[in-house]
Amino acid sequence: DAKTTQPNSMESNEEEPVHLPCNHSTISGTDYIHWYRQLPSQGPEYVIHGLTSNVNNRMASLAIAEDRKSSTLILHRATLRDAAVYYCILRDQTGANNLFFGTGTRLTVIP
Amino acid sequence: AAGVIQSPRHLIKEKRETATLKCYPIPRHDTVYWYQQGPGQDPQFLISFYEKMQSDKGSIPDRFSAQQFSDYHSELNMSSLELGDSALYFCASSSGQGGGTEAFFGQGTRLTVV
Repeated sequence: DAKTTQPNSMESNEEEPVHLPCNHSTISGTDYIHWYRQLPSQGPEYVIHGLTSNVNNRMASLAIAEDRKSSTLILHRATLRDAAVYYCILRDQTGANNLFFGTGTRLTVIP
Repeated sequence: AAGVIQSPRHLIKEKRETATLKCYPIPRHDTVYWYQQGPGQDPQFLISFYEKMQSDKGSIPDRFSAQQFSDYHSELNMSSLELGDSALYFCASSSGQGGGTEAFFGQGTRLTVV
């Protein structure tokens, strides 16, 4: 499985934008980039995913580098409820496509 | 909207006992995944099923087995429980296996082995 690298932790002030980076230099052409987050004591929650183009949804935006070797999850206005561990995961278009969680980024939101 | 339902939410078992965890996927989802998350750890993939057939296997101990039934619900059977099996067990479901599909997770079953 292709690997991703994320910072262990990040901090953000409430109501400010947050940019969570992810490096995936060994990404293949058929890998989708997925982001999930896990709030304390809850199951992981889908945030967003993309293949080549930038993506927006009600939760966040995903900016994908032109060479696809890195991506950034953007939370436009962090709230206290966004404090969670964020996981960047590559998921192949073919095969079993299981989600393999690496070590994500623990986001702390400061009031 | 209906979510992934796991039961029970909490389970306490003694060493060497058996446990069965159940997962009810979102309606019309045909793929189920099981994960184990120890204290302070990231979720570890155990096993997955697609259309009632095992599709992939991760770090699942031989003492564990799982299956997906005709109604697409899944059960994880754990035998000869050990203290180290104490963890949160999550089930997720998705529609199909394509890399562009999102998975939806249940709230988990917290298993405590004493």
